[in-house]
Amino acid sequence: AQRVTQPEKLLSVFKGAPVELKCNYSYSGSPELFWYVQYSRQRLQLLLRHISRESIKGFTADLNKGETSFHLKKPFAQEEDSAMYYCALSEDSGGSNYKLTFGKGTLLTVNP
Amino acid sequence: DTEVTQTPKHLVMGMTNKKSLKCEQHMGHRAMYWYKQKAKKPPELMFVYSYEKLSINESVPSRFSPECPNSSLLNLHLHALQPEDSALYLCASSLRTGFGYTFGSGTRLTVV
Repeated sequence: AQRVTQPEKLLSVFKGAPVELKCNYSYSGSPELFWYVQYSRQRLQLLLRHISRESIKGFTADLNKGETSFHLKKPFAQEEDSAMYYCALSEDSGGSNYKLTFGKGTLLTVNP
Repeated sequence: DTEVTQTPKHLVMGMTNKKSLKCEQHMGHRAMYWYKQKAKKPPELMFVYSYEKLSINESVPSRFSPECPNSSLLNLHLHALQPEDSALYLCASSLRTGFGYTFGSGTRLTVV
């Protein structure tokens, strides 16, 4: 069974400080991993996907298969980054539908 | 159109009522999903539709009945719900593996 672990329920940093949200996974196949963000009273939004290796809003995430991790990082946190962040693992079915399992989430608060 | 639209945004229903939630997307996605999200918890998968056929039912009670009339629409019919079914119900769609889901803003359901 696939499992996603986000060890920190809450994370508080000051504006301008680096931030790292941890995500570890267990999956027997080839993982597909995502980070989703949910701002207060807004819909769940896709932030990053590991296959694209892009940077969105200054955030990056690298898949480390050896450590089975997909940590989310940003060098300088901003107050508008305050939100709930979910790491998610997709089971690759080879088709257009697949099962997405979420971690329990990390609530990031960026203080002024 | 790059959105998933859910209606209604809020719904209050009694335990003997019958109501339906509606979800619509016009992105050509062929997979659609229902998730349930309780406060401060991650979304939990309920149903997956692929090419308008139900492909995953995560042991959801029969008082929840999904329907996919066409590739753009997804309904969730509700009957004889319990107060513990009160939650945010999220619809999502996906094009194919590796691209992540697009989520709607959800229907906040309260069962009284």
